[in-house]
Amino acid sequence: DSGVTQTPKHLITATGQRVTLRCSPRSGDLSVYWYQQSLDQGLQFLIQYYNGEERAKGNILERFSAQQFPDLHSELNLSSLELGDSALYFCASSVGYSEQFFGPGTRLTVL
Amino acid sequence: AQKITQTQPGMFVQEKEAVTLDCTYDTSDQSYGLFWYKQPSSGEMIFLIYQGSYDEQNATEGRYSLNFQKARKSANLVISASQLGDSAMYFCAMREGRGGGADGLTFGKGTHLIIQP
Repeated sequence: DSGVTQTPKHLITATGQRVTLRCSPRSGDLSVYWYQQSLDQGLQFLIQYYNGEERAKGNILERFSAQQFPDLHSELNLSSLELGDSALYFCASSVGYSEQFFGPGTRLTVL
Repeated sequence: AQKITQTQPGMFVQEKEAVTLDCTYDTSDQSYGLFWYKQPSSGEMIFLIYQGSYDEQNATEGRYSLNFQKARKSANLVISASQLGDSAMYFCAMREGRGGGADGLTFGKGTHLIIQP
């Protein structure tokens, strides 16, 4: 158990819908990262937050957005969903440069 | 050009043998970090080992060691005395020195390791 929690574990929705994925980092970790793992694209970095502020953006689509709240939990919002958004979405957290611990992931299926 | 290259899509290894999983990377940064993760069939990503670009010694964590050859830009993972539970996907990843604490990881495509009894 990495100490990073993600909910829900599975999500099934339809094209055009909007969903929110939630992540709670390990206690004391200020950085939260979101990653997407799909068969087509592999594992891709989406976005990083540090203590409530956006720190870095990766290959995140404009339809996707994220935020980190004062209690350091983070949410990833995915809107106007397409079939190609079906993937495993990971949240990771870290306190320094030498580690990133991943949560169990949310498996999103868009039908 | 790919930033992380893992040239072995799949490997079969006999139990108790040592395994080397290859990883080469491409960066022009002086400060960077290299990570290895294990992803079993259950899907979770398990952090194994980290090597910083300025670390002079190769990183070790239990049965895992990282063979870091900076001039060759390689960061191979070595698993000693492999076990059946080591069967999984293994990903090499890099954090580049983007500055300002920005350190999202870039991942390779992975190596599917199967340990045979």
